[in-house]
Amino acid sequence: DVKVTQSSRYLVKRTGEKVFLECVQDMDHENMFWYRQDPGLGLRLIYFSYDVKMKEKGDIPEGYSVSREKKERFSLILESASTNQTSMYLCASKFSGGSGEKLFFGSGTQLSVL
Amino acid sequence: SQKIEQNSEALNIQEGKTATLTCNYTNYSPAYLQWYRQDPGRGPVFLLLIRENEKEKRKERLKVTFDTTLKQSLFHITASQPADSATYLCALGSGGYQKVTFGTGTKLQVIP
Repeated sequence: DVKVTQSSRYLVKRTGEKVFLECVQDMDHENMFWYRQDPGLGLRLIYFSYDVKMKEKGDIPEGYSVSREKKERFSLILESASTNQTSMYLCASKFSGGSGEKLFFGSGTQLSVL
Repeated sequence: SQKIEQNSEALNIQEGKTATLTCNYTNYSPAYLQWYRQDPGRGPVFLLLIRENEKEKRKERLKVTFDTTLKQSLFHITASQPADSATYLCALGSGGYQKVTFGTGTKLQVIP
């Protein structure tokens, strides 16, 4: 089974801190995604990547950046955390094959910015 | 801009009945539509994919329809069970190196 691992389950940070959220997948997938999930707003795409060192902005990239130095690892960076970035962050990698495409998600990181 | 709408209100149904969830979209021509299940505190789990040229797909007690003219998908769970209680999300994609966009999800509660 595909495994997508997010480094932290819960994280508490202070306003203004630089925050790194790490995500690792073990299936050699090319595409990886970062979403945030807030009540009533569903999953919103922050950034995605289709190859090493390649990245694309999603729907809400402001205040975030990403890094993909190795194929299996996709990091989300909050340059200066703010309280409105308190959220559940979900990483996913995408399988593409004859049967179609599907995303595999990590368990999520619940980030609280105080 | 692209918009994907799911019934934001929770859906409560009696055990054994068929649950029907709706996904509507605008300003989008997806190559496929997917449905995911999400339990509290967990990441979504893929259930089914239906392509733009397919009308209907089935998997065990699940059935998905896709009407690209109406820009709508219906997701059915037949003979529902309390274990089916979860939030169900639809997602649209165009394949390849394109993004995958999710709806807000519908919370389903199956009452014993």
